[in-house]
Amino acid sequence: DAKTTQPPSMDCAEGRAANLPCNHSTISGNEYVYWYRQIHSQGPQYIIHGLKNNETNEMASLIITEDRKSSTLILPHATLRDTAVYYCIVRIPYNAGNMLTFGGGTRLMVKP
Amino acid sequence: GAVVSQHPSRVICKSGTSVKIECRSLDFQATTMFWYRQFPKQSLMLMATSNEGSKATYEQGVEKDKFLINHASLTLSTLTVTSAHPEDSSFYICSAPGSSYNSPLHFGNGTRLTVT
Repeated sequence: DAKTTQPPSMDCAEGRAANLPCNHSTISGNEYVYWYRQIHSQGPQYIIHGLKNNETNEMASLIITEDRKSSTLILPHATLRDTAVYYCIVRIPYNAGNMLTFGGGTRLMVKP
Repeated sequence: GAVVSQHPSRVICKSGTSVKIECRSLDFQATTMFWYRQFPKQSLMLMATSNEGSKATYEQGVEKDKFLINHASLTLSTLTVTSAHPEDSSFYICSAPGSSYNSPLHFGNGTRLTVT
């Protein structure tokens, strides 16, 4: 799986958009970008994934650059409950037994 | 959506005893499940891959005789921490892949193990 780089921490004001960046400059053509988050003392929660097109669901939007070397997860209106560690993972969906390799992630703190 | 149920959520045991953690896929079948361990303020580390009907595959540095994995059915995998010691205290999390090509992994809510 391609290596990803994320800032270790970010702050965001409640109600504002949270933009979480991820660099994955060595991504290969068949690797997807997945985002998960982990709220304290819980298992990771899937947020969104994409290959090359921008994606949006009820939780977030995913913007992938044209060269696919980086992406941004956008939480449009952050709430206090969005405080969590966010993981960006790049991988081929079915490889090496389908497991995920987690990096350090970004600790997002949403403040009132 | 697909749900993975993990039980118990918390367990406290004495040093030298064994603890079993269950991971169930509730509305889908999982021929493979993954077990992760997470120490405080660290990321998740893959311990082993559980395969239905065959032996588990362990990551380097994980003792297979200490962390026994059984995947006896398409919906249940168990992790038994044998002869637990305080250093085994950690957050254990299981996961299972969805059924389609690029579907995400589904995670249980984790088990907080404290060995006294």
